[in-house]
Amino acid sequence: AQKVTQAQTEISVVEKEDVTLDCVYETRDTTYYLFWYKQPPSGELVFLIRRNSFDEQNEISGRYSWNFQKSTSSFNFTITASQVVDSAVYFCALSEAKETSGSRLTFGEGTQLTVNP
Amino acid sequence: DAGVIQSPRHEVTEMGQEVTLRCKPISGHNSLFWYRQTMMRGLELLIYFNNNVPIDDSGMPEDRFSAKMPNASFSTLKIQPSEPRDSAVYFCASNPTGAWDTQYFGPGTRLTVL
Repeated sequence: AQKVTQAQTEISVVEKEDVTLDCVYETRDTTYYLFWYKQPPSGELVFLIRRNSFDEQNEISGRYSWNFQKSTSSFNFTITASQVVDSAVYFCALSEAKETSGSRLTFGEGTQLTVNP
Repeated sequence: DAGVIQSPRHEVTEMGQEVTLRCKPISGHNSLFWYRQTMMRGLELLIYFNNNVPIDDSGMPEDRFSAKMPNASFSTLKIQPSEPRDSAVYFCASNPTGAWDTQYFGPGTRLTVL
């Protein structure tokens, strides 16, 4: 069975600090995808990134960066120079790779990030 | 382009009433997913469709819940009769091919059963 663990329930930082959100996953699949979603206070789920299990290159998008390490089954998310608008719940998710039956997402419990001015 | 559309955005009903939630996926997407989000259980997959066919409904809580997808542009999630413990935010999501693709979520329906 798949499992995603986000051990940090809540994180509070001051604006401009860097912050890393941890994500550890378990799967028996050799092919899988990892995702991060953002849920701001307004409630919608916003897609941030998708990585496949064969691509361990780190990714940077503006102030966001992701570190994928298969050796430790981790897919951590770092926000550099955090801003108040980054305050949200962040979810890490894992997708099975079953071509004939769609992609099932297993979500972690989420990390509530609060960025204080 | 329009994203996933859900209606209503908010629903308040009394225990025992029938509730119908609606979803319009992104045009051209072949897979549709219904999720429920609660504080206690987080985000749970209830059911998903591929090419309008239900593939896995193992997450549907009980017989009071049913979902249909009569065509590629419309799906409903029905609860009959509703109970207070059904209070949650219900999300609909869709993706293009159904295999490993990113799921795009609608804004959700906040359901309150009194």
